[in-house]
Amino acid sequence: KAGVTQTPRYLIKTRGQQVTLSCSPISGHRSVSWYQQTPGQGLQFLFEYFSETQRNKGNFPGRFSGRQFSNSRSEMNVSTLELGDSALYLCASSRETQGARSYNEQFFGPGTRLTVL
Amino acid sequence: AQSVSQHNHHVILSEAASLELGCNYSYGGTVNLFWYVQYPGQHLQLLLKYFSGDPLVKGIKGFEAEFIKSKFSFNLRKPSVQWSDTAEYFCAVNANFGNEKLTFGTGTRLTIIP
Repeated sequence: KAGVTQTPRYLIKTRGQQVTLSCSPISGHRSVSWYQQTPGQGLQFLFEYFSETQRNKGNFPGRFSGRQFSNSRSEMNVSTLELGDSALYLCASSRETQGARSYNEQFFGPGTRLTVL
Repeated sequence: AQSVSQHNHHVILSEAASLELGCNYSYGGTVNLFWYVQYPGQHLQLLLKYFSGDPLVKGIKGFEAEFIKSKFSFNLRKPSVQWSDTAEYFCAVNANFGNEKLTFGTGTRLTIIP
């Protein structure tokens, strides 16, 4: 079974630009979560989508947004990029079903390395 | 809201040494606990997890972790490390109800000297 895939793997942007990152979850997984990983902060939760609805949201400004499509693929968008947005953005998928006991075993993709100049 | 503390930021050990990485969480309710590992150039992968039952859980590659509820801890251990264990290790927690997000610690970088 193929793992979580993320595109692109590397991205260089300049301040003020916007960027869209893509994530394809493992087949059958309906939940997709996004995390920002930086050396000092570790992994910070951005948001989670389930059945095309945002189910959880972390403490990031409104410049960070996302969406999920009917095939569970997800995108995240960052508008008006700042230098501090440089990070590894990780996507994770899990099989959990709505209403089931929380079983948040997440499978991570390789990430997209975003550099903002 | 839950939080996770990993007090060891960088640990350096020689091969065959024993390892213990600390993880403490803050949350008043029932939790699920995880250790993830990120080898150099590779993606994050699950090392082991605790949901309920025996508080001593065994994971891949000889790792184990013990959940001590009274101490809010979930320390990772390995009796004899190998050079290939060089990686970054992350402890994570999520609340055992609803659809709560995973909260990660800041990670511990482990360097094994051959």
